[in-house]
Amino acid sequence: DTGVSQNPRHKITKRGQNVTFRCDPISEHNRLYWYRQTLGQGPEFLTYFQNEAQLEKSRLLSDRFSAERPKGSFSTLEIQRTEQGDSAMYLCASSLQGATNEKLFFGSGTQLSVL
Amino acid sequence: DAKTTQPNSMESNEEEPVHLPCNHSTISGTDYIHWYRQLPSQGPEYVIHGLTSNVNNRMASLAIAEDRKSSTLILHRATLRDAAVYYCILFIQGAQKLVFGQGTRLTINP
Repeated sequence: DTGVSQNPRHKITKRGQNVTFRCDPISEHNRLYWYRQTLGQGPEFLTYFQNEAQLEKSRLLSDRFSAERPKGSFSTLEIQRTEQGDSAMYLCASSLQGATNEKLFFGSGTQLSVL
Repeated sequence: DAKTTQPNSMESNEEEPVHLPCNHSTISGTDYIHWYRQLPSQGPEYVIHGLTSNVNNRMASLAIAEDRKSSTLILHRATLRDAAVYYCILFIQGAQKLVFGQGTRLTINP
């Protein structure tokens, strides 16, 4: 399967702990996106990369959040000093830069529960 | 961000056609209309997109109004596996991202 892969699928942590999620995009895709989704809501954009460059960050991405894509391949999203409000599904998507009709391919997400 | 308006929920019966409406009155001439759907416990999945003309693919059809201020996603023969949240999104040239609304939760009755 060459789709977008996210690990872990589920993460339970205690408030105040740091967590890191990993996303492996489709291999030839140069754009990578992170979204967050809470129950009953649509996904909210967090940030995106083109190759290794982080080109946009949402206001939702506080100082406790950091994302990297060091070699333009996989990406990590780290949340420091987690809070209960960080509990959500974290979705990764990738796309191949092209025309404005580019499709995003999403992974199955990482479900974070902060106790 | 340009907005779309969709009904919160819709219900249909198996093997019948489903028409999912979307209003996007603030659309500009270069914005593409995208539809994604999200099955339970999965990430969103691309369904179809268009600019001005109606579009068909193996999953669905997209009918775009002449003034482009509304569109309709058509599932020709719904199955139970089509039960999902359907998102209508404007892909804005230069914005480089999809901005999701709350979507329409589609229920299919056997």
